[in-house]
Amino acid sequence: EVQLVESGGGLVQPGGSLRLSCAASGFTFSSYWMSWVRQAPGKGLEWVANIKPDGSERYYVDSVKGRFTISRDNVKSSLYVQMNSLRAEDTAVYFCARFYYYASGSYYSMDVWGKGTTVTVSS
Amino acid sequence: QSVLTQPPSVSGAPGQRVTISCTGSSSNIGAGSAVHWYQHPPGTAPKLVIHGNNNRPSGVPDRFSGSKSGTSASLAITGLQAEDEADYYCLALDISLMSWVFGGGTKLTVL
Repeated sequence: EVQLVESGGGLVQPGGSLRLSCAASGFTFSSYWMSWVRQAPGKGLEWVANIKPDGSERYYVDSVKGRFTISRDNVKSSLYVQMNSLRAEDTAVYFCARFYYYASGSYYSMDVWGKGTTVTVSS
Repeated sequence: QSVLTQPPSVSGAPGQRVTISCTGSSSNIGAGSAVHWYQHPPGTAPKLVIHGNNNRPSGVPDRFSGSKSGTSASLAITGLQAEDEADYYCLALDISLMSWVFGGGTKLTVL
């Protein structure tokens, strides 16, 4: 069974740092792009970042560029996001998702998601 | 304000048909980006119900269907069931923003 389990969320002060992890199982992690998506309280989903299977390419939403770093460890089948200079507006549930390539249509989509981990930025 | 516009809410009685629209622009849906749809009951993991405009992943009932025309896309759910009650989101790539963008979400209530 394909499974993604996030961890590492918690309460952090503004300006602080936090590292989230996502443990993958049930598929060949090293073959897939991966994503982080977040949902602020009472708001919709927001894409945060993507990373290529070998880690050589990373993409971010403008609001986190320079503050967040997505990374991965293919030996441990794990995805990470290092979040620095955290702001109140970063408060959200953070989901990791597999970014699957559908060759038949030449497009990507997030096909499997974890249940998320909650980050609260507050003093 | 989301780049992709969805109605905040829709509702229908059990057995009825509902549609959820997702309106974009020439830099996302109109540029040929595939549209994907997610079902998200609160407190759970989002679930992909339509990928590539109109394709159902295995295990998703054929009551769910998608379509796309011009700068808009739609998700249709027929034979509404109580278990369909959730928030629904569309997703596409915006080539102008060089970013993946979600719609603002639509809350489906089964009356």
